[in-house]
Amino acid sequence: SQKIEQNSEALNIQEGKTATLTCNYTNYSPAYLQWYRQDPGRGPVFLLLIRENEKEKRKERLKVTFDTTLKQSLFHITASQPADSATYLCALDMRTAGTALIFGKGTTLSVSS
Amino acid sequence: ETGVTQTPRHLVMGMTNKKSLKCEQHLGHNAMYWYKQSAKKPLELMFVYSLEERVENNSVPSRFSPECPNSSHLFLHLHTLQPEDSALYLCASSQEKREGGEQFFGPGTRLTVL
Repeated sequence: SQKIEQNSEALNIQEGKTATLTCNYTNYSPAYLQWYRQDPGRGPVFLLLIRENEKEKRKERLKVTFDTTLKQSLFHITASQPADSATYLCALDMRTAGTALIFGKGTTLSVSS
Repeated sequence: ETGVTQTPRHLVMGMTNKKSLKCEQHLGHNAMYWYKQSAKKPLELMFVYSLEERVENNSVPSRFSPECPNSSHLFLHLHTLQPEDSALYLCASSQEKREGGEQFFGPGTRLTVL
């Protein structure tokens, strides 16, 4: 069966540390992988997209890696801050009609000061 | 704000009611989506309108009926819902035929079915 797993439901880290979130998938071959942030009671907000032929993508304190052999993406937030506390969702972009995204359940990150 | 608005933000309805959710995007996108988000479950894609063509998820019950009168507006008509349909309903839009296809989400409608 097809599955997307994000390593844990919750991740707690201290301010200043690097948060690493994992997204694993089976039985898919996505053309792109996207990461979103969702705050309570709000819609997801797009953060980063990485293509199947890219190994790594960076945006400010964010870094995403994509290993199509391992079928895994890692999402890193360096120098984390309490304001980074949110739920982070990975989504597979299969490039089908309408760019239907397939989402994982998300990992809720809590950064304590 | 993301450029995608949804109304109402909160809705409480009985199982025999008929109501509609509205979504409007101000981004000039040509694809719109309805998602359902329940607690502890991933976002579930319900319906897609891409280049004015409807792509349907066959597992969505017929008590949910989408309507897309033009590329900027999307509706979700609801009737005879069940309590398990209580969830956050999210609308999103994207620009198709452009590399990437990141989606822009509205704030959602929190639906409670009594």
